[in-house]
Amino acid sequence: DIQMTQSPSSLSASVGDRVTITCRASQSISSYLNWYQQKPGKAPKLLIYGAYSLQSGVPSRFSGSGSGTDFTLTISSLQPEDFATYYCQQSYTTPRTFGQGTKVEIK
Amino acid sequence: EVQLVQSGAEVKKPGESLKISCQGSGYSFTSYWIAWVRQMPGKGLEWMGIIHPGDSDTRYSPSFQGQVTISADRSISTAYLQWSSLKASDTAMYYCARESRELSETFFDSWGQGTLVTVSS
Repeated sequence: DIQMTQSPSSLSASVGDRVTITCRASQSISSYLNWYQQKPGKAPKLLIYGAYSLQSGVPSRFSGSGSGTDFTLTISSLQPEDFATYYCQQSYTTPRTFGQGTKVEIK
Repeated sequence: EVQLVQSGAEVKKPGESLKISCQGSGYSFTSYWIAWVRQMPGKGLEWMGIIHPGDSDTRYSPSFQGQVTISADRSISTAYLQWSSLKASDTAMYYCARESRELSETFFDSWGQGTLVTVSS
């Protein structure tokens, strides 16, 4: 299985801050990397697919970059509704695997 | 509108069997893979397996192979996840998700609301 490792596991930030979350794959996955947001008690929501393509309806303050083994999710200006847990997921092969999640909390 | 609607919460005893469901609507059910994802209490997302309702081609994560069975009934646009003998460690929220494809990229663009399974004696 391909292992996905996110860092940090949690972070505290203020509204308006720029936030960066990283995801590293245990082997090259080209650009087959997706990002999801999950709020408490809710299903995950797709934010970014193919490493950098913004899902329809997702605000442009979210962006993704990277290829190979190293990827980044950036929130350019954190908004109150962005406090949530974020997961990366590789779609290079089965089993599809997720990172362990990064919880973004209010400072 | 694409929708995946899952069956309701279940409370079961260890050793019991269970089958939960995920009904798709608003799209061609037989054209998209449906995955099952586990989320244990306070933990992250785990991909369990995936089925193509068009031909019932099914893939399992090695972690879940032999522990669960994934199936689908395309006549009623419904996918299933079942256990023959539940354990307390199966207590979790279970999500179904539709896997979409754009060029060579695949991603889960629509999710069910989740089914909470509680296994306790």
